[in-house]
Amino acid sequence: DAGVIQSPRHEVTEMGQEVTLRCKPISGHNSLFWYRQTMMRGLELLIYFNNNVPIDDSGMPEDRFSAKMPNASFSTLKIQPSEPRDSAVYFCASSLGGRQGYYEQYFGPGTRLTVT
Amino acid sequence: SQKIEQNSEALNIQEGKTATLTCNYTNYSPAYLQWYRQDPGRGPVFLLLIRENEKEKRKERLKVTFDTTLKQSLFHITASQPADSATYLCALNSGSARQLTFGSGTQLTVLP
Repeated sequence: DAGVIQSPRHEVTEMGQEVTLRCKPISGHNSLFWYRQTMMRGLELLIYFNNNVPIDDSGMPEDRFSAKMPNASFSTLKIQPSEPRDSAVYFCASSLGGRQGYYEQYFGPGTRLTVT
Repeated sequence: SQKIEQNSEALNIQEGKTATLTCNYTNYSPAYLQWYRQDPGRGPVFLLLIRENEKEKRKERLKVTFDTTLKQSLFHITASQPADSATYLCALNSGSARQLTFGSGTQLTVLP
């Protein structure tokens, strides 16, 4: 398996522009997670999906952020409008969550977002 | 408030020694705890998972302990090598069993 695939790997945009990050989870995994990592705040969970349904989006910073998972093999994280403070590395991870959800998470390579 | 603390931001040890990293937590009752390794420019990679009813778990040169009374996990790398140099993150489940909250990480450098 190719692992979790994220695109783009790097994104540089100007403040106010819309940014869309994409993720393809590992085939067969039923949970998908979006994280943001910064030096100041570390790795933060933004939202997670189980069986394509958003379960908890309490980590989404504000209404400028939205995430979708239209099918089991694709998810997007959108920021509109983007602001300089959104600059971070965004990771997508997937997991095969069993009944008790103990399974490890597999991370993608991340998207480094810079908003100028 | 809930908090996960990893003992130090950076740890330097000599090759061949045992590295011990600490993860302390407050106001959580995790069912399990995980350790991940992260190299610069890459996503975290899963290493080990330990459940609340397990005291110790081993995998090759890695050992994890979990003390729910002390609210602490220790992560050991024996016979450390320069290739073990990386940032190590502990993570525990919060709320839903599937959700993980990560500590800030400890950057380990193994000196040759």
